[in-house]
Amino acid sequence: NAGVTQTPKFRILKIGQSMTLQCAQDMNHNYMYWYRQDPGMGLKLIYYSVGAGITDKGEVPNGYNVSRSTTEDFPLRLELAAPSQTSVYFCASSYSIARGGGLVEAFFGQGTRLTVV
Amino acid sequence: AQSVTQPDIHITVSEGASLELRCNYSYGATPYLFWYVQSPGQGLQLLLKYFSGDTLVQGIKGFEAEFKRSQSSFNLRKPSVHWSDAAEYFCAVNPGSSNTGKLIFGQGTTLQVKP
Repeated sequence: NAGVTQTPKFRILKIGQSMTLQCAQDMNHNYMYWYRQDPGMGLKLIYYSVGAGITDKGEVPNGYNVSRSTTEDFPLRLELAAPSQTSVYFCASSYSIARGGGLVEAFFGQGTRLTVV
Repeated sequence: AQSVTQPDIHITVSEGASLELRCNYSYGATPYLFWYVQSPGQGLQLLLKYFSGDTLVQGIKGFEAEFKRSQSSFNLRKPSVHWSDAAEYFCAVNPGSSNTGKLIFGQGTTLQVKP
């Protein structure tokens, strides 16, 4: 059972380039998330999805796009890379929402360290 | 706005000493509360969580946390720290009514353990 798998682990981009960060989970979770982690800032939510075909913006969506065509995959797209997007990106998934709407647990991938130069 | 504060950016303790990491949240109702640990170069691992009931919750690796509604706090504790506990610790909350599973994270506390 692989859990949440992110690829690549590391990437260096030039300003203006584009790339897709891949995220796949094999736990049949409906809920998936993309967070970015910056030093001293904790993790900030970029986008999330509550099921295949449904996505929504999080706290810091500018400069990113997502799609969710299958339950398993939730790729994050950077169209025009900027130095401000230098960060560590984490994908997460969760398997259920408790009665009343609360999160039960989120499972995280190992992260993708992205540098934009 | 909902927020999570971890007042201590960096903490150093000696191996074998006790540990308390602070977490305060700002939210109208009782949220779902979590502590995650991140070892260098790794993803986040869940230490423990609180939804309701007993306000003292036990987690993995000998950690526990206590929810105090009056103080809006959810502090993490360990009686005796091991060198392998050196890592970054994140407190997080999920507003129970959001129905989306989104997490709001604190800034993180880096724990250094002295031999």
